[in-house]
Parts: sequence; structure tokens; C-alpha cells
Amino acid sequence: QVQLVESGGGVVQPGRFLRLSCAASGFTFNYFGMHWVRQAPGKGLEWVAFIWSDFWIDGSGTYYADSVRGRFTISRDNVKNTLYLQMNSLRVDDTAVYYCARGGGKWYFDFWGRGTPVTVSS
Amino acid sequence: IVLTQSPGTLSLSPGERATLSCRASQTITSSYLAWYQQKPGQPPRLLIYGASSRATGIPDRFSGSGSGTDFTLAISRLEPEDSAVYYCQQYSDSATFGQGTRLEIK
Repeated sequence: QVQLVESGGGVVQPGRFLRLSCAASGFTFNYFGMHWVRQAPGKGLEWVAFIWSDFWIDGSGTYYADSVRGRFTISRDNVKNTLYLQMNSLRVDDTAVYYCARGGGKWYFDFWGRGTPVTVSS
Repeated sequence: IVLTQSPGTLSLSPGERATLSCRASQTITSSYLAWYQQKPGQPPRLLIYGASSRATGIPDRFSGSGSGTDFTLAISRLEPEDSAVYYCQQYSDSATFGQGTRLEIK
């Protein structure tokens, strides 16, 4: 069965960095585009970033929400079946649970991990 | 594209039918709209994609409809386990979510 397991969250000061990982299993990882979605405490869902499957296209195209563009970088290792999110210049409003999600045929999310919490606080 | 869900909270009894609305600020092309269910402490679960296609393993009590700017999630024969927050999401232009509708089954 499809499994997505996030790790790397924690408490960090504003301006610092953090790297999240998502270990995927139960499916052919390099066939699928992958997303990060976040949820601030008590709030709704916000899409963060997407990376194409380079099985289907040349190169790994990446896309970002305006709120994180230039600070966050999404990447993937198809040998390790792992998705990453490098988060730099963290701000207090980046505090959230970060979910890794598999892309459906289009930009919907058909499987989700349980999430990893990130707290940005001084 | 901004998605507005209504009502904010819906309280119903077991066996009743729930109707949740999602309205978009502009036309969603090709019915690129999905619905998710999220229970406390859990990640969201995909219910509906393409406005009306049920995801794998989703019972037929859940149905989606609509096009353009107005979409609906209907849940028939409500069960206590249907208590959750429901989100719509458009993927016509990047990806955005509605603010959610809380469904309470009493």
C-alpha cells in the first residue's frame, strides 16, 4: 500500500533553515509528481510546492506558492524514493504541519503522509 | 482562484443528508475540483476528484457535482464517523483550498 512518511520537522528560530524529508513506498515513486502542503495550527490547507516526475518529462520542473518562492526548494531522489523540502529564511508564519502528498493525474492529492510539525519561534 | 465554502458548520443527525457548497471566484476549467475529508489529528483524505469522480475506496454515499463556479459535495445516510472538516480544492490554476466546512453528526 502507498506510504508516505515525513520527517525533519522541529522548532527553529526565525531566519534559520530546516530540511524536511518524505520517504515513499508502495508505489513507483518516479512515475508521480509530488507535493508539499501545509496546515497552520487550527487553520486550513495551503499548497506549498510541486515537483514533476522526471520519468515523463525532461528535467524536474518545480512550482512554488508565492508565500515560499525564493526561500523553499523542493527536490527528489528517485533512487532513494524520497522527497525533500529545503526551507531557508524561515518566518514565524511558516509554522505549520507539513504534509507530503502524491500528485493525482492533475494537481489533486491522492495520498497523504501524516505530516511533520514545524515551529518557527524565537 | 478563491474558493468559498458554505456553510461554515453543519449539524445533522445520523441518517440525514448533508449538502456542502464550494463557490469559486472564477470559472474552474475542466471541472478540476476535488474534495477532501479531514478528521482531528489525521491528514486529509481524498474523496472526490474531477468534481464527481470518487477516489478509490470511497463509499457511494459520497457524491460530487457541479461545474463552472459552483460545486457541491453531498453525503447521504450520514454516519457518526462522517464528522470531520471537508475541504474543496481547485487545480485549474495552481492549487488552492476552500476554508473548510465542519460537519457535526449528533
